[in-house]
Amino acid sequence: SQTIHQWPATLVQPVGSPLSLECTVEGTSNPNLYWYRQAAGRGLQLLFYSVGIGQISSEVPQNLSASRPQDRQFILSSKKLLLSDSGFYLCAWAGTGNQPQHFGDGTRLSIL
Amino acid sequence: SQQGEEDPQALSIQEGENATMNCSYKTSINNLQWYRQNSGRGLVHLILIRSNEREKHSGRLRVTLDTSKKSSSLLITASRAADTASYFCATDEHRGSTLGRLYFGRGTQLTVWP
Repeated sequence: SQTIHQWPATLVQPVGSPLSLECTVEGTSNPNLYWYRQAAGRGLQLLFYSVGIGQISSEVPQNLSASRPQDRQFILSSKKLLLSDSGFYLCAWAGTGNQPQHFGDGTRLSIL
Repeated sequence: SQQGEEDPQALSIQEGENATMNCSYKTSINNLQWYRQNSGRGLVHLILIRSNEREKHSGRLRVTLDTSKKSSSLLITASRAADTASYFCATDEHRGSTLGRLYFGRGTQLTVWP
């Protein structure tokens, strides 16, 4: 069966520090991969999506970047975190086409 | 935008009662999906209804879709305290795209009291 792993679960970082969040999927190949951010009490904002290795599309201009170095690995990064980067970050995968998305358990990022 | 919007924002009921949540969207879709999120966790897919379907059931869940009104409803029958969670609708783009990009609403916070 397919599983998705996202870590760490929580992270506290100072302003200006770098960030690396990792997401891996098992049990499937060539998935579509997604990074979302969720503000408290709000819906999900799509940050990045990827349909294949090295193929990244950004939805909104921001202080973050994403990479897909392997088929089932999706990384969210920042060189210098801002206070506004705080939030709950969720990774998801889906098969091609309009398939349901399957989410990881998220990373709660707090910027001090 | 295509984003779905849920109504009400919050719903509080007693165990055994039915819970109905609504979703409205703006443009044509291929399908509409409902997700559930427990506090501090990821979203879990509940049900997908295609644009050519009007009603779908899964256990205690019943979803309806009215494409003429661009709206959907999620009914949870005989609710339980364990149903307490946020519920989101998500719509896709009707462009024949394989990207699977979904647009999520802000969700309905359901609280079921024992």
